[in-house]
Amino acid sequence: EIVLTQSPATLSLSPGERATLSCRASQSVSSYLAWYQQKPGQAPRLLIYDASNRATGIPARFSGSGSGTDFTLTISSLEPEDFAVYYCQQRSNWQTFGQGTKLEIK
Amino acid sequence: EVQLVESGGGLVQPGGSLRLSCAASGFTFSSYWMSWVRQAPGKGLEWVANIKQDGSEKYYVDSVKGRFTISRDNAKNSLYLQMNSLRAEDTAVYYCAREMDYGGNSDWFDPWGQGTLVTVSS
Repeated sequence: EIVLTQSPATLSLSPGERATLSCRASQSVSSYLAWYQQKPGQAPRLLIYDASNRATGIPARFSGSGSGTDFTLTISSLEPEDFAVYYCQQRSNWQTFGQGTKLEIK
Repeated sequence: EVQLVESGGGLVQPGGSLRLSCAASGFTFSSYWMSWVRQAPGKGLEWVANIKQDGSEKYYVDSVKGRFTISRDNAKNSLYLQMNSLRAEDTAVYYCAREMDYGGNSDWFDPWGQGTLVTVSS
């Protein structure tokens, strides 16, 4: 099973700042990686697929990068609605999710 | 509008059974793989099972094999999860999700339903 490790577990930032979230795979997943956002009491929402492509309707401040084992989700300038939990997911070998990064207001 | 609405969750005793449903609307249900994903209280996401468009292929996470059965009725635009021999560790919010092909490397979960809570407890 491919294990995805997200870091940090919690990230405290202020609106307007840049957020950088990391996802590391235990073995290469090529670019079979997605990022999801989950707000309290809500279902997850797809943000990024194939490591670097924004899903429909996702603002341009969200970007993804990486391939192989190391991936990054970047939010260029945080809006109040961006504070949430973010999960990465791989579909290279079956499918697994990372444990999540909580992005909280500082 | 693409929409997925789960139902059927509730409180069940260990060893009991429950059947979850997911009603789809706003898209051609029969054209998509569908998945169930669960989230234990305060925990992360775990994929549970998925099913091909015509129901001919089904896959499960190891922890539910032999206990859970995924199925679909394309005429009713509905997805199901029959859960038997339930355990305390099956307690979670269960989401259904469409596997969307964005023309890239794989299909991705988009959108998700709002979820239905299953609690296994005596």
